Parts: sequence; structure tokens; C-alpha cells
Amino acid sequence: DAGVIQSPRHEVTEMGQEVTLRCKPISGHDYLFWYRQTMMRGLELLIYFNNNVPIDDSGMPEDRFSAKMPNASFSTLKIQPSEPRDSAVYFCASSTGPEAFFGQGTRLTVV
Amino acid sequence: GENVEQHPSTLSVQEGDSAVIKCTYSDSASNYFPWYKQELGKRPQLIIDIRSNVGEKKDQRIAVTLNKTAKHFSLHITETQPEDSAVYFCAAGGSGGYQKVTFGIGTKLQVIP
Repeated sequence: DAGVIQSPRHEVTEMGQEVTLRCKPISGHDYLFWYRQTMMRGLELLIYFNNNVPIDDSGMPEDRFSAKMPNASFSTLKIQPSEPRDSAVYFCASSTGPEAFFGQGTRLTVV
Repeated sequence: GENVEQHPSTLSVQEGDSAVIKCTYSDSASNYFPWYKQELGKRPQLIIDIRSNVGEKKDQRIAVTLNKTAKHFSLHITETQPEDSAVYFCAAGGSGGYQKVTFGIGTKLQVIP
């Protein structure tokens, strides 16, 4: 298995534009997480899914952020409109037990 | 919700010395405490975890201790090597299932050869 796959690896966009981050979890994993990593706040859980259903989205910072998981092998995190303060590394992770397996992350820069 | 504090934020040690990273948590219902290592530019990876029914766990040069009464847990790395240089994150959670954990801010460990 190739592990958790995220795309793109890097994204540079202008303020106000829509950004979509993509994630393919490890096959067979029933939990999927979206995290945001910044120097100031560390790793923050934004939202997580169980069997494609959102369980806890209390970490989603604003209505500009939305996440979907249409099937067991794909999830998206969308920011619309994007702002410079959204610049961060966004990680997707999946699990079937206690250990979370992280993807390589998407480094988002909003200018 | 859970709040995890981690100290120190940076730590430099000489190769061969020990390193200790400490964390505290706020939710007494938390029962799962993993530690992740993130090398520069890489993804976080689990290195060790402990559950509330034990006070200590070891894996080669790495050990974790847990004091549930004081809500403290620590990571101990002995005989440090340059490849131990990374950012280490503690986390706490599990009260609603092991999957949801809250991470500490991270400790950047530098092992000086």
C-alpha cells in the first residue's frame, strides 16, 4: 500500500480564490482526519470522519472551510474564499485503530 | 475539550545524552497518549503510545511514563543519536474512542554530534 496520498503537495493561490485539497486514505481504514499545522498552533484537528460520515467538525475554523468524503477512498478539504492566514501545511491521516497514518501533507500558501 | 501542554519547545542535547519531553493534559477522561515524531519536511509518525492502564512503557531507547493523578506524561530518549533530531509531538485523548486525540505544540529536538 502506498500509504495516505495527498494532492497537491504544494499550492500557491491568491487571496479570495477557492482551494481544494485532496486525500486518498489507506484502503480498509475507516477513520479519516484533516489536520492543519502551523508554527504557532502546532497540529490542529479540523474534522474527522468515520465510515465516510463526519463525526466531529468542531475544529473547522470558519464557514469558509468545508470537507467531504463521498466514498471510502476519497476526501476533500475546501477553503472558499481563501485568506493569507490559511497558509499552513494541511495533513490528512487515516486509521483503523489507535495509530493515525499521515499523508505527506499539502503546503498551502495564500498570497 | 482536551488541552495538552508540552515542554520544552526546543531542546538541544549532546549525542549520547538523554532527552526528556514533558506533557500535561486537562481531561481526566483521556486514556490514550501517543507520541509522534516528525522529521524535517516529513509526515508525523507514531513512535510509541501508552494507555491509562499502565504507568510506563519501553521500546529500545524510548520510554514513556504516565502519571494519571497529576495528568502528566513524558517521553524519555536515552543514548541520543543524530537521527533522533526531529520535532516530537505528544497527544492525549481516547475518551470518545482512541481516534480523537489533541496534540501538544511540539518539541524540536536537536542532537549535536
